[in-house]
This record gives sequence, structure tokens and C-alpha cells, in this order.
Amino acid sequence: EDKVVQSPLSLVVHEGDTVTLNCSYEVTNFRSLLWYKQEKKAPTFLFMLTSSGIEKKSGRLSSILDKKELFSILNITATQTGDSAVYLCAVSAYQLIWGAGTKLIIKP
Amino acid sequence: DGGITQSPKYLFRKEGQNVTLSCEQNLNHDAMYWYRQDPGQGLRLIYYSQIVNDFQKGDIAEGYSVSREKKESFPLTVTSAQKNPTAFYLCASSSDRAFSGNTIYFGEGSWLTVV
Repeated sequence: EDKVVQSPLSLVVHEGDTVTLNCSYEVTNFRSLLWYKQEKKAPTFLFMLTSSGIEKKSGRLSSILDKKELFSILNITATQTGDSAVYLCAVSAYQLIWGAGTKLIIKP
Repeated sequence: DGGITQSPKYLFRKEGQNVTLSCEQNLNHDAMYWYRQDPGQGLRLIYYSQIVNDFQKGDIAEGYSVSREKKESFPLTVTSAQKNPTAFYLCASSSDRAFSGNTIYFGEGSWLTVV
């Protein structure tokens, strides 16, 4: 059975810290891996990864995919309270398979 | 502005009643989706549609129905047959075929509470 597992399920850090969120998957017919940020309502798109080893960056956020070991990480450096959210990982295969999310809380 | 509009944002329903959630997109996307999100869980697919007048069941379609009469619109009806309908419902769309690997975009969601 296809599955996507995110870890940790929740994380509390202080402003300025660096965090690493994990997403591992077991999926047949892999097409891409997507990261989304969900604050209260609509998930907003962060990254789409299709190739191993190529880092994608957007400001303080970056992500990389390892298709051999079947995982991706999302890094956030110099965290701010506005980074508090649920971060969702999904793998596109025959359909989108979603992880349960990591709830990130940034304390001032 | 281009985007996906869901309505209503909050809805209360009495047990035994059907309710319809609206989803409209002006992104000219072919594929549209309905997801359900429960606390601490990932998104679960209810229905999806790749083209007008065609739709497919997702993993949890029982107790739900949809229609796709127009490209822009994909309403979801939560019927009285749905045993536990209280949840957050998200509509989404993507260009090209469903699940082709393209980015999907979400509406703001609808909170449904059964009282």
C-alpha cells in the first residue's frame, strides 16, 4: 500500500532556530513530491521536487529529494513566528498521497 | 484575481439533511478535486474530475456526490448517508490531467459541522 509518512508530527522551537522536517514515502509510479504550508485554511504551495539531489530554495526555506532512499526534507532557517503552520508533504503517483503533516510552532 | 472560491466558509447542518458545498475556479484548470481533512490526518480524496461531465470516486466517496456540468464548477453534496460529515472540506484544481504531477491549488476550505 502506498504511503507517505511525515516526522515529527509536531515540533516546538524558538524564533531563530533552524528546523528540518522529514517526509518519507513508499509509492509506486512516483512522479513528484510536493510540499505545502497550511496556516489555517488553504494549503499554499511551497515546492515541487522531481529529481534527486537538486535543492530548491525560496528565501529561508529549502527542500531536497532523495529518490534512492525515498525521502525529502524541508529546511527552514532563522525561523519566525510566521512560519508557524502545518507543513504537508504529498507524493504524486496514480493520485496524490498525503502525509499527516508536521505541526510547527515557533515561540517568540 | 485567478483562484478557487469555496462557499460557504462555515456551515451547520442538522442530522439527516443534505448540504452542498460550492467550488468555483477561474484558473481554466481541467482537473478538480474534493478533499476532506480531519484533525491530525492528511488530506483524503473524496472525488475528482478530469473533464466536464466526468468524475471519479476517490478513497472516501461513500455518502458524497458531485457534478461537473461546467469546467469552472465542481460542487460537492454531503448526503445524509455520510456517517461522520463534520470536517474541513477542501476543493482544489490543477492544470492538465489529474495527478499528472503538476502543482494543485486549493480553495480556502469549508468547515461543515453537523449538529
